[in-house]
Amino acid sequence: KAGVTQTPRYLIKTRGQQVTLSCSPISGHRSVSWYQQTPGQGLQFLFEYFSETQRNKGNFPGRFSGRQFSNSRSEMNVSTLELGDSALYLCASSLTGQGSYEQYFGPGTRLTVT
Amino acid sequence: AQSVTQPDIHITVSEGASLELRCNYSYGATPYLFWYVQSPGQGLQLLLKYFSGDTLVQGIKGFEAEFKRSQSSFNLRKPSVHWSDAAEYFCAVGARDTDKLIFGTGTRLQVFP
Repeated sequence: KAGVTQTPRYLIKTRGQQVTLSCSPISGHRSVSWYQQTPGQGLQFLFEYFSETQRNKGNFPGRFSGRQFSNSRSEMNVSTLELGDSALYLCASSLTGQGSYEQYFGPGTRLTVT
Repeated sequence: AQSVTQPDIHITVSEGASLELRCNYSYGATPYLFWYVQSPGQGLQLLLKYFSGDTLVQGIKGFEAEFKRSQSSFNLRKPSVHWSDAAEYFCAVGARDTDKLIFGTGTRLQVFP
């Protein structure tokens, strides 16, 4: 069974631009979560989606948004990029979105903002 | 507020030595507790988890962790470390009905031959 895939793996953008990151969960998984990982702030929760509905949102500005499609694939968008948005963005999927089921993480998308 | 503290930023051990990584949490209800490992350039891999029941849980790669409610701790242990265990380790707290995790700041493990 294929794991969680994230595209692209690496991305370089300029301040003020916008970016869209994609996450394809493991087949059959209905829950997708996103995290931002930086050296200064560590791993911070961004969003959680289950069956196309956002269930939880982390403490990030409105420039960060996301969505989930009917096939459970998810995208996150960051508008008006700032230097501080440079990070590794990780997504994870699980079968049911209940905390007791294992979450599987993708390899991440490394975003660099210049 | 929920939080996780990993007091050790960096730990160095010799191969074959025992290992204990500390984790303390703050959570109002009974937490779901996790340990993840991240190798350079990789995503996170679940080592073990605790929801309820036996407070000593076994995980993959020979790791175990013990939940101590009185100390709000969930320390990770391994009796004999291998060079391949060098990585960053994250403790996390979660809850029922959500996949949202609150992570600690991580402990980087270095293993010397």
